Amino acid sequence: GESVGLHLPTLSVQEGDNSIINCAYSNSASDYFIWYKQESGKGPQFIIDIRSNMDKRQGQRVTVLLNKTVKHLSLQIAATQPGDSAVYFCAETPGFQKLVFGTGTRLLVSP
Amino acid sequence: EAGVAQSPRYKIIEKRQSVAFWCNPISGHATLYWYQQILGQGPKLLIQFQNNGVVDDSQLPKDRFSAERLKGVDSTLKIQPAKLEDSAVYLCASSLLVNNEQFFGPGTRLTVL
Repeated sequence: GESVGLHLPTLSVQEGDNSIINCAYSNSASDYFIWYKQESGKGPQFIIDIRSNMDKRQGQRVTVLLNKTVKHLSLQIAATQPGDSAVYFCAETPGFQKLVFGTGTRLLVSP
Repeated sequence: EAGVAQSPRYKIIEKRQSVAFWCNPISGHATLYWYQQILGQGPKLLIQFQNNGVVDDSQLPKDRFSAERLKGVDSTLKIQPAKLEDSAVYLCASSLLVNNEQFFGPGTRLTVL
């Protein structure tokens, strides 16, 4: 799997900016996708999900875009806040409720 | 609503020793998962229980790892004997039913020296 952490892809933004985190998934049979936020010392926390019959879904300050043609997901965070600083993972479900996590991205928000 | 509880939070052992982790899922959640998260990577599923039955243990190294959920509530994950490469965070998650949202516990950080 991909390595993050010490060699984590990192996105640095200023408070108030919009953030876009990208993810490539591997299995064209996956029909459900989830974005998780993981803060230091904590387990992953659900942010937003999307099914394969949709290409966009919006939540509070977050939007997920799905491009099945190129197997690509993105997470957009509007008006990024320091509390958004964390590692973000996308996950796909290639099988019966089996979650496969993708590459993580560290988001650093400067005040 | 109380979240998923795990203990211990941290454990340091020497290689070839054994270790056990405990998980208490959210009350009423039928499905329980154990994940291994190596530093710098996303969580990897080790085993999935539906009540007290195993649904998927295809990625569990069965020569050294074992897990049980005897009464369909709490679960334990054991490693015996531990290897250096087992150093990781072990996450427990639960969901109400199959295909429901998974809720994660804080994890147990294992260091094998």
